[in-house]
Amino acid sequence: SQKIEQNSEALNIQEGKTATLTCNYTNYSPAYLQWYRQDPGRGPVFLLLIRENEKEKRKERLKVTFDTTLKQSLFHITASQPADSATYLCALDINDYKLSFGAGTTVTVRA
Amino acid sequence: DAGITQSPRHKVTETGTPVTLRCHQTENHRYMYWYRQDPGHGLRLIHYSYGVKDTDKGEVSDGYSVSRSKTEDFLLTLESATSSQTSVYFCAISEPTDTNEKLFFGSGTQLSVL
Repeated sequence: SQKIEQNSEALNIQEGKTATLTCNYTNYSPAYLQWYRQDPGRGPVFLLLIRENEKEKRKERLKVTFDTTLKQSLFHITASQPADSATYLCALDINDYKLSFGAGTTVTVRA
Repeated sequence: DAGITQSPRHKVTETGTPVTLRCHQTENHRYMYWYRQDPGHGLRLIHYSYGVKDTDKGEVSDGYSVSRSKTEDFLLTLESATSSQTSVYFCAISEPTDTNEKLFFGSGTQLSVL
């Protein structure tokens, strides 16, 4: 069966450090992968999209990698700030513009 | 939230009663989706629509039906609510192109079935 796994439910890091989140998947061949941020009581907000032919994508302090051989995406938040504290979701393209989501990783950045 | 309104924001109902959740968008996006979010499961797709009167099932569609009679409205109906349908429901919209497939989400509806 198809499965998306995100590393550990929670990640606690010190301000200024880099947070690295993992998204692993099985039995999918996605054309692209997306990352979303979700704050408590709110809907997810799109952050980045990376396609199967792209190795790396950057947006400000965010970096995403995509390895289709390992079936894995890594999401990095560099120079983390307390405002980066949130739950981060990875989502894979199933087909026909449908996304399947992982359960998310909650990041807490300590000042 | 990108011109998406979900109503109601909170609802408490009893087992066996029908419930309808509404998603209204002002973006004129073609695709609309209903997801539910539960602890440990992340977001799971219930139903989606790719145009007026064009809908299809997602991975957890049992016990749910949808309707889309206008571009801007997508309704999710629980014909006979059960306690297992207690969840947070999110509506999402998209207007996918070859270079832009992102979803915009509403603020969610917290549904409790007692």
